[in-house]
Amino acid sequence: QQQVKQSPQSLIVQKGGISIINCAYENTAFDYFPWYQQFPGKGPALLIAIRPDVSEKKEGRFTISFNKSAKQFSLHIMDSQPGDSATYFCAARRGPNTDKLIFGTGTRLQVFP
Amino acid sequence: NAGVTQTPKFQVLKTGQSMTLQCAQDMNHEYMSWYRQDPGMGLRLIHYSVGAGITDQGEVPNGYNVSRSTTEDFPLRLLSAAPSQTSVYFCASTTGRTSYNSPLHFGNGTRLTVT
Repeated sequence: QQQVKQSPQSLIVQKGGISIINCAYENTAFDYFPWYQQFPGKGPALLIAIRPDVSEKKEGRFTISFNKSAKQFSLHIMDSQPGDSATYFCAARRGPNTDKLIFGTGTRLQVFP
Repeated sequence: NAGVTQTPKFQVLKTGQSMTLQCAQDMNHEYMSWYRQDPGMGLRLIHYSVGAGITDQGEVPNGYNVSRSTTEDFPLRLLSAAPSQTSVYFCASTTGRTSYNSPLHFGNGTRLTVT
């Protein structure tokens, strides 16, 4: 119940295409769902995050879609660019009284020109 | 503003050796944590601290010790390194107010190889 399952493990997209990464969870106590972006040789950095009382959040070309009943959430990258090539991690927080995050296994995105 | 600083960047150890991975943050964050990153396994929490003098175990604490004597520093100790501890280690911090606006800030990692 503490896991966050992420797919696919790797993704290859043409420049201008849409990249979609999916995550699923089981623990209904999770209350905060961030996505982190990691470039080679660097630590992960927060990209975008959503609360479970919101079904969608958009920031520029990045959108989180959240389906509370299905316990699934996904990251959509519109008009994907070569500079988006990175590893993406979904995560979930274990409730309102903790800062601990459970991370998915990561998706390596490659965007080709 | 340096953020979260980890040293060293790279380290090679022999089985049985000990070492300390250093982590320092200059953002006055209360919450600090250590993760390890392994291929296909994502980021797994080793230990964390909600403030000076307070530490607790995460998902994979075996073989690692931590202490938090100051707000700024959170070192991770390997007492007797094993090949299974070959990994990339990340330190992270946040304000500790469990706010939606307080993301985890990560360092750039320490790549550890145990032979």
